[in-house]
Amino acid sequence: QSALTQPASVSGSPGQSITISCTGTSSDVGGYNYVSWYQQHPGKAPKLMIYDVSNRPSGVSNRFSGSKSGNTASLTISGLQAEDEADYYCSSYTSSSTQVFGGGTKLTVL
Amino acid sequence: QVQLQESGPGLVKPSETLSLTCTVSGGSVSSGSYYWSWIRQPPGKGLEWIGYIYYSGSTNYNPSLKSRVTISVDTSKNQFSLKLSSVTAADTAVYYCARTFWSGYLVDYWGQGTLVTVSS
Repeated sequence: QSALTQPASVSGSPGQSITISCTGTSSDVGGYNYVSWYQQHPGKAPKLMIYDVSNRPSGVSNRFSGSKSGNTASLTISGLQAEDEADYYCSSYTSSSTQVFGGGTKLTVL
Repeated sequence: QVQLQESGPGLVKPSETLSLTCTVSGGSVSSGSYYWSWIRQPPGKGLEWIGYIYYSGSTNYNPSLKSRVTISVDTSKNQFSLKLSSVTAADTAVYYCARTFWSGYLVDYWGQGTLVTVSS
């Protein structure tokens, strides 16, 4: 299985909005509403931010939102804050009942 | 609050077998709603799904690692384990154990991760 495709890096200023894309195929992202997003700060374990494309776990800020169109899912962070600077990974269920991650995107808050 | 803790050697020699155990507290590996997963992250690189096990013993592995991976579960100890055989330097990574919800494969709890270095 091939890793999902994410941009290596994105950046934005405090208060702005950014969007991170995650492109797969019809066998993973496009075939199921089972995309999740994870935030990882340096030296820490990943944290679930979005699941099932657009659902937020309890305790996650509503500044984080997810969507999907075709084979591409997106994570949008609005009202950027310094604490949002981290690596972000998407993940999808696959037709083989496995899980695949994206390559990760480094978010820099300018 | 569910907690997961990885344990095992931090250094493994090339061609040998990497063995890690994950101890779960605050929850049960016998829960029918979850898979128990291993995920790794090479230094400076992205996450890679290794595989999962269900309490019944049913498993599923990353096709690229399938020939070398075995995941097992011990419900009496509330633990699950990873064995990766014939390791090379490319297997050097932080290894995470995690809880995965059966529907949608969302990973809601992660261990802190343990660095395993493959070197002679």
